[in-house]
Amino acid sequence: EVQLVQSGAEVKKPGESLKISCKGSGYSFTSYWIGWVRQMPGKGLEWMGIIYPGDSDTRYSPSFQGQVTISADKSISTAYLQWSSLKASDTAMYYCARLGGMTTVTNWFDPWGQGTLVTVSS
Amino acid sequence: QSVLTQPPSVSGAPGQRVTISCTGSSSNIGAGYDVHWYQQLPGTAPKLLIYGNSNRPSGVPDRFSGSKSGTSASLAITGLQAEDEADYYCQSYDSSLSGPSYVFGTGTKVTVL
Repeated sequence: EVQLVQSGAEVKKPGESLKISCKGSGYSFTSYWIGWVRQMPGKGLEWMGIIYPGDSDTRYSPSFQGQVTISADKSISTAYLQWSSLKASDTAMYYCARLGGMTTVTNWFDPWGQGTLVTVSS
Repeated sequence: QSVLTQPPSVSGAPGQRVTISCTGSSSNIGAGYDVHWYQQLPGTAPKLLIYGNSNRPSGVPDRFSGSKSGTSASLAITGLQAEDEADYYCQSYDSSLSGPSYVFGTGTKVTVL
């Protein structure tokens, strides 16, 4: 079974750093893109970026470029999303998901991780 | 900011048919890019419902169907059931001047009356 398991909920203060994880299993981790999606409280889904763990090729949404860093460690089948200085507006649920489809322009997201809730509050 | 527009809500009685529209533009759906649909039950992660405009993953009931035409796409739910009460999102690819990206719809809440 293809599965993505994310790290647990985090409570941080503004200005702190954070790295959350997404561990893949049940498939060849290096052969599929992994994406990150933000969902702010009561709001819709926003695509943040994707990474190809095979060679760490990374693409960012213009809205998130420079705000977060996406990385992966293929030796442990894990992708990461990190912030160097959190803001209250980063409070949200963050999902990772594997990309399916034959080409970049046809990709969909499946399956999804269970989500990591990040709360930033002083 | 979402570039795919969906109605905020739709509702129907059990057994009825409801449709959800997803309106894009010439840089996404109108450019021929595929549309995919997701179901998000309360308090859970999104789940793929339709991929490649009209294909159902294994395990998704045939009550769910998708279509695409021009700059829009639609998700239809026939024989509406209480368990279908959820948020639904469309997704596509966008090649606008700000850079290629994946885009989601604004989301539609389906209420079963």
